[in-house]
Amino acid sequence: GAVVSQHPSWVICKSGTSVKIECRSLDFQATTMFWYRQFPKQSLMLMATSNEGSKATYEQGVEKDKFLINHASLTLSTLTVTSAHPEDSSFYICSARTSLYYEQYFGPGTRLTVT
Amino acid sequence: AQKVTQAQTEISVVEKEDVTLDCVYETRDTTYYLFWYKQPPSGELVFLIRRNSFDEQNEISGRYSWNFQKSTSSFNFTITASQVVDSAVYFCALSEAGGAQKLVFGQGTRLTINP
Repeated sequence: GAVVSQHPSWVICKSGTSVKIECRSLDFQATTMFWYRQFPKQSLMLMATSNEGSKATYEQGVEKDKFLINHASLTLSTLTVTSAHPEDSSFYICSARTSLYYEQYFGPGTRLTVT
Repeated sequence: AQKVTQAQTEISVVEKEDVTLDCVYETRDTTYYLFWYKQPPSGELVFLIRRNSFDEQNEISGRYSWNFQKSTSSFNFTITASQVVDSAVYFCALSEAGGAQKLVFGQGTRLTINP
């Protein structure tokens, strides 16, 4: 149980285009989802926290107009990178948790490359 | 503010050696959670352990063991009789007990086990 999927697993896009990454909890209802970004050989940095049906809470320094997060249902959150630039190239990881348990279940990550 | 420090950036040992990964944390909370995650080259985070701040008992799981000492704010991880498959980046993380329970990650330790 407690499986989180991400789609796509990798994506290449051209500079200036937008790309959407999906995060799904497959066998549980995720009241809270988190989005992280990880640059090569660096740690995971939390970008934002989203609760189902509410606006996401962004960490300091993260542009909310650039990284649009939608947590429309208890099993799906999406991250849209708008007008992507090469510096947005990174590994994006989502995690999900229920309201009952402290565990965060991580997705497999999405590798974004902007050319 | 919460902070996790993993002072060892990279460790390289020969197979069958024991190795300890250090983790020091800072928090003002009296109730919190500590975690260890493994990130193999595939990128997907693998959950290893969660500890709450009230449970200072050491834990052993097979070749893995954890030493939690509140007095020194440390949560160290030891691999006994290391194997090549243990090669990965290991992250220590801290989360608050209330609120969104956001995870704060350490910088990670890249462990290489040489045959």
